[in-house]
Amino acid sequence: NAGVMQNPRHLVRRRGQEARLRCSPMKGHSHVYWYRQLPEEGLKFMVYLQKENIIDESGMPKERFSAEFPKEGPSILRIQQVVRGDSAAYFCASSPPTGNPPQHFGDGTRLSIL
Amino acid sequence: RKEVEQDPGPFNVPEGATVAFNCTYSNSASQSFFWYRQDCRKEPKLLMSVYSSGNEDGRFTAQLNRASQYISLLIRDSKLSDSATYLCVVNKGSNSGYALNFGKGTSLLVTP
Repeated sequence: NAGVMQNPRHLVRRRGQEARLRCSPMKGHSHVYWYRQLPEEGLKFMVYLQKENIIDESGMPKERFSAEFPKEGPSILRIQQVVRGDSAAYFCASSPPTGNPPQHFGDGTRLSIL
Repeated sequence: RKEVEQDPGPFNVPEGATVAFNCTYSNSASQSFFWYRQDCRKEPKLLMSVYSSGNEDGRFTAQLNRASQYISLLIRDSKLSDSATYLCVVNKGSNSGYALNFGKGTSLLVTP
């Protein structure tokens, strides 16, 4: 029973490029959450998605960031025109439709901007 | 005011010591409370949920005081393997499902 799968584990981009981070939730989980952890900081909530719906994007930066969770396939966090300040660890978590809050995090994607 | 605030740390303790971490949260609508553990450059892992009546899991005891919006974690008989960053975590509230607010974390180093 695979856990939350994130890829890539490490991603290097140059300023101005696009970054795409993928998250496959645990089997049976239909809710996905993205968090960002800046160096030396705590995790910050970004966005909460269910299949084909964004439920809460209150933590997303207003520009350049978008997220989706299509009917088929993984959830995607997309960052356009990356800047140095986007360098961080991006973690995804998933939960089932009901019951306990998300307890399962993926290994994260470490994004480095040159 | 930050949504979740923790002791800044770091805590350096010898093996076998008892250590306590404190945390306060600002959103009175929060209903779920947790302690997570994060090892260096790894993902957060759930250590334990925190219930109003207090709960214990082996050497770990968690307490919650809703009136003062205060959460604590007590670790008894510290082991070297307990060295990590401990994150106080509170759910955001009704409109966000179970999206979580994390404290910045308190670093613990257990020494021989």
